[in-house]
Amino acid sequence: EAGVTQFPSHSVIEKGQTVTLRCDPISGHDNLYWYRRVMGKEIKFLLHFVKESKQDESGMPNNRFLAERTGGTYSTLKVQPAELEDSGVYFCASSQLDTQYFGPGTRLTVL
Amino acid sequence: EDKVVQSPLSLVVHEGDTVTLNCSYEVTNFRSLLWYKQEKKAPTFLFMLTSSGIEKKSGRLSSILDKKELFSILNITATQTGDSAIYLCAVEAPRYGGATNKLIFGTGTLLAVQP
Repeated sequence: EAGVTQFPSHSVIEKGQTVTLRCDPISGHDNLYWYRRVMGKEIKFLLHFVKESKQDESGMPNNRFLAERTGGTYSTLKVQPAELEDSGVYFCASSQLDTQYFGPGTRLTVL
Repeated sequence: EDKVVQSPLSLVVHEGDTVTLNCSYEVTNFRSLLWYKQEKKAPTFLFMLTSSGIEKKSGRLSSILDKKELFSILNITATQTGDSAIYLCAVEAPRYGGATNKLIFGTGTLLAVQP
């Protein structure tokens, strides 16, 4: 069974540009989560989808971040415009019941 | 504010040693505590603990939860170089009547096992 996949693995952009991260959950998992780890800090929750609906977006830092999950399969997380403090590793996780399985993350560097 | 604290932050041991990693938590709504191992990329699931005093085991790894004292430990016996990784503790803290199960993470413990 394929695990959670994320694309790209690395992204380097300049401040003010737009970046879109993609997550493909494990097939059949209704729950999809986005998390972020910034330098030196713990992994923090961003938001949670159940199928295509946003269940909890309390962790989204501001309105420069937009997450979508059209059709309830893969999800995208867009940062527009990117700021220096957005640099970090963005993880996606999926679950069907309780256990969340994580993808390898996208390392985003904003210069 | 909900928080999870892990200790030590880092640890260096020799192969064959036994290690104990600690995780304490303070959260408003507790459902479960999870341990993950992160080597290079994706954190990989180790254990989910929901009840106090029941040890979970997988090979040389074991973990137990104390819901009264609000902590968990992860033990690794006869350590090997392949155990070198960041070990993450996370607490599942439901919101909105249980409709969402966000994880609250500690900063992790970096374990280095030397030959």
